[in-house]
Amino acid sequence: DTAVSQTPKYLVTQMGNDKSIKCEQNLGHDTMYWYKQDSKKFLKIMFSYNNKELIINETVPNRFSPKSPDKAHLNLHINSLELGDSAVYFCASSQAAGRTDTQYFGPGTRLTVL
Amino acid sequence: AQSVAQPEDQVNVAEGNPLTVKCTYSVSGNPYLFWYVQYPNRGLQFLLKYITGDNLVKGSYGFEAEFNKSQTSFHLKKPSALVSDSALYFCAVRRDSSYKLIFGSGTRLLVRP
Repeated sequence: DTAVSQTPKYLVTQMGNDKSIKCEQNLGHDTMYWYKQDSKKFLKIMFSYNNKELIINETVPNRFSPKSPDKAHLNLHINSLELGDSAVYFCASSQAAGRTDTQYFGPGTRLTVL
Repeated sequence: AQSVAQPEDQVNVAEGNPLTVKCTYSVSGNPYLFWYVQYPNRGLQFLLKYITGDNLVKGSYGFEAEFNKSQTSFHLKKPSALVSDSALYFCAVRRDSSYKLIFGSGTRLLVRP
């Protein structure tokens, strides 16, 4: 009965590879998010989709591309991985994109680029 | 612009004692404030939020937070700390007209037996 799930939990890969992280929520929420947490635990929003429409697109390299096939899924594809991409990536969802809506987070995907 | 500050990297408290984790914010317009907790190797868990109304907000696991508009603060409190409360705590703020939730840098709470 996991609310927000991510796969894989751990991802170890070589520089230059392309990888994807998948996220699914079974809460019936309309809005989903991707966050990056760096080694100092600082959390930063990357992208958000509301009803499959991109509403937040922060200044991240073009190598990062989100894809939302439906409201329950938001995937993150990363091309040409670099050492600096190593981080924990969290998916989250909320009922809507409103200012009062609570975001619920997945367990995270720890990406290590060698 | 909106921002949130957590001035303490770490807070140490003895089990059974009250705890406070500080948060101050800067936002134009009305602030919407949230607290989350992160246990090791886990995602963030929602604790509580302030939207409007009563300045004292009660949340999960016995935590509460007090919204103080004049001091632009939203400190997290608990009357009696448990060892199991040891974790990383994040304050976050969103303003009226923004989709974005901005997180503070986090405060590590260590409750010693």
